[in-house]
Amino acid sequence: GENVEQHPSTLSVQEGDSAVIKCTYSDSASNYFPWYKQELGKRPQLIIDIRSNVGEKKDQRIAVTLNKTAKHFSLHITETQPEDSAVYFCAARRTNNDMRFGAGTRLTVKP
Amino acid sequence: EPEVTQTPSHQVTQMGQEVILRCVPISNHLYFYWYRQILGQKVEFLVSFYNNEISEKSEIFDDQFSVERPDGSNFTLKIRSTKLEDSAMYFCASSENQEQHFGDGTRLSIL
Repeated sequence: GENVEQHPSTLSVQEGDSAVIKCTYSDSASNYFPWYKQELGKRPQLIIDIRSNVGEKKDQRIAVTLNKTAKHFSLHITETQPEDSAVYFCAARRTNNDMRFGAGTRLTVKP
Repeated sequence: EPEVTQTPSHQVTQMGQEVILRCVPISNHLYFYWYRQILGQKVEFLVSFYNNEISEKSEIFDDQFSVERPDGSNFTLKIRSTKLEDSAMYFCASSENQEQHFGDGTRLSIL
C-alpha cells in the first residue's frame, strides 16, 4: 500500500522566516496530495492541495510543489506568523477512496 | 458553510463493550470516511464508503469494526468489542469529489 514519509517532525522558525516541509510517497498511482493543518485538539483542516497533473500551486503565503518523477512534494510557507504554529500533515491519495497521511510536522513560529 | 458533525464529542467505554460513533456528513457529499488518530500520532485511514458499501478499508479495519449508513443522513462506525488500544480520536470525513472535509472528532477512551 501507499507509504507517506514526512520530514522534519518538528520545525521551529522565527516570525517572518519561511518554513518548508517535505513528503515522499511510494505509490506512483497516487494522484492527489493535500496538506492539512491541525491545531491542538481540533480537526485537520485542508489548507492547500495539488493534483498530479500540476507541478506547483500557490495560495497567498502557502505554496505546494510536486515532483512526480521523484515522488515527493513540499509545502512552503512564507512570511510565517505565530498563528501558523500547528501540526501540518501531508497526505497522498492512492485511489478515489484511500488517503494515507504522513506522520506530521509540528511547526512553531517564534514571535 | 456546511460542516461534518460528529457525536458524541467524548465517549468513555469499558473494555469489551460495543461502541457506536455517529457522523452526519455534508448533505450533498457522496463519499464518507472514518479515520483514527492516536494521541500525538498521525491520522490513519480506516475505511471509505460510497454508494452504500465499503469501497476501501485499511489493515486496521478488522472484523471488530463495521460501518453503516442507517438512513439518509447518518454514517456510523461500530466497534464490536473494544480494546484498550482502540482509545483514540476518531474523525469522520466526507467529500463530493476529492476535497475531504473533517468533523471535529470523537475522543474514545477505553477503560
